[in-house]
Amino acid sequence: EPEVTQTPSHQVTQMGQEVILRCVPISNHLYFYWYRQILGQKVEFLVSFYNNEISEKSEIFDDQFSVERPDGSNFTLKIRSTKLEDSAMYFCASANGVSYEQYFGPGTRLTVT
Amino acid sequence: DQQVKQNSPSLSVQEGRISILNCDYTNSMFDYFLWYKKYPAEGPTFLISISSIKDKNEDGRFTVFLNKSAKHLSLHIVPSQPGDSAVYFCAAPGGGYQKVTFGTGTKLQVIP
Repeated sequence: EPEVTQTPSHQVTQMGQEVILRCVPISNHLYFYWYRQILGQKVEFLVSFYNNEISEKSEIFDDQFSVERPDGSNFTLKIRSTKLEDSAMYFCASANGVSYEQYFGPGTRLTVT
Repeated sequence: DQQVKQNSPSLSVQEGRISILNCDYTNSMFDYFLWYKKYPAEGPTFLISISSIKDKNEDGRFTVFLNKSAKHLSLHIVPSQPGDSAVYFCAAPGGGYQKVTFGTGTKLQVIP
């Protein structure tokens, strides 16, 4: 069964450093998303991406964040200058554009020290 | 932003009995609802959905009920199994394949 994959599973970085989180969505899906979950809190939407552009973003997704689909398979989230409060699980998701179900990857645990 | 609320943070049920997880929403524009199951250190896994044109959707042991007038939905798991122990999230997509708004989750423990 097709699945969303994410790398790395765990990333440790120092405050102020740039990180890139990578995702390979399900191959025939058209819509791509990033969410995050801070420990003990709910899953929060960051950004949605369709047709090579951002279609919606939350207030969390400020200028420090960017997304890119550099080729036909990868979808990346970049945080330019990480802060302690960026420590969270980051989930990539994709949807086929036929049904509303979004399929999530296993997540990347980002730890900012 | 509490558009989707799950007021019970946890629930314990004996194996074989029914688990009922509840969810309330405030946004009357929501017309589709999703339930996700999440194990620790894993991503949410889609479980079952319901469109607002229905009041019930069933898939094996899982049934979701929707009461639009009360803005309430519930997930029933019958019979509950120890492998069902996880956090369950109620969620609602925005229009046009946009973001999904998640509830805070209910941690279900099924006791053998």
